[in-house]
Amino acid sequence: GAVVSQHPSRVICKSGTSVKIECRSLDFQATTMFWYRQFPKQSLMLMATSNEGSKATYEQGVEKDKFLINHASLTLSTLTVTSAHPEDSSFYICSARDHQGTTYEQYFGPGTRLTVT
Amino acid sequence: AQSVAQPEDQVNVAEGNPLTVKCTYSVSGNPYLFWYVQYPNRGLQFLLKYITGDNLVKGSYGFEAEFNKSQTSFHLKKPSALVSDSALYFCAVRARRRGNTPLVFGKGTRLSVIA
Repeated sequence: GAVVSQHPSRVICKSGTSVKIECRSLDFQATTMFWYRQFPKQSLMLMATSNEGSKATYEQGVEKDKFLINHASLTLSTLTVTSAHPEDSSFYICSARDHQGTTYEQYFGPGTRLTVT
Repeated sequence: AQSVAQPEDQVNVAEGNPLTVKCTYSVSGNPYLFWYVQYPNRGLQFLLKYITGDNLVKGSYGFEAEFNKSQTSFHLKKPSALVSDSALYFCAVRARRRGNTPLVFGKGTRLSVIA
């Protein structure tokens, strides 16, 4: 099946610094990628939807200037957490949708655990 | 707006017994429905989906789910649970329409299979 990778898998950063998380679709082209955030023992909350070559669409309550999303190619999307604070510590999961053929599921990356100290 | 309800935070079942993880949904029109499983500190793994056709959908690892339109439910089932099935299970729905509608997830149900 389709594979989505994320890098890094874990990152610890100091408060006030920025962190970039990469999401790649390894064997398919992803016109659309989604970024989710998951707090401990909670569900996945959609942060934003990004389409290749255009600006991301952010969900209500998600600060677009804080969570910068770039989807410059059909296989790569990045999420940059700017000026990170401890409350940004979370598990971030990206997802990509394969628009070829008739598949409908989203493929998920393994997640990135961000810890802000 | 789309929504998914998983009424049970935790389901405990003895190994070898049948298991059911409940899911109900709300969406305009006909839905696409999915089940995913998550192991600790890992991403989501796809189990099965309902797109159209037979209401009983068979998926990975012996899991199956039944789409019930009248009850707007998509319960996950397995005839005989294994200890290795212990994980966090998410039901998700997507509206069946044009555009890049995202998956909306339930809050998850933690399944614990006891040996």
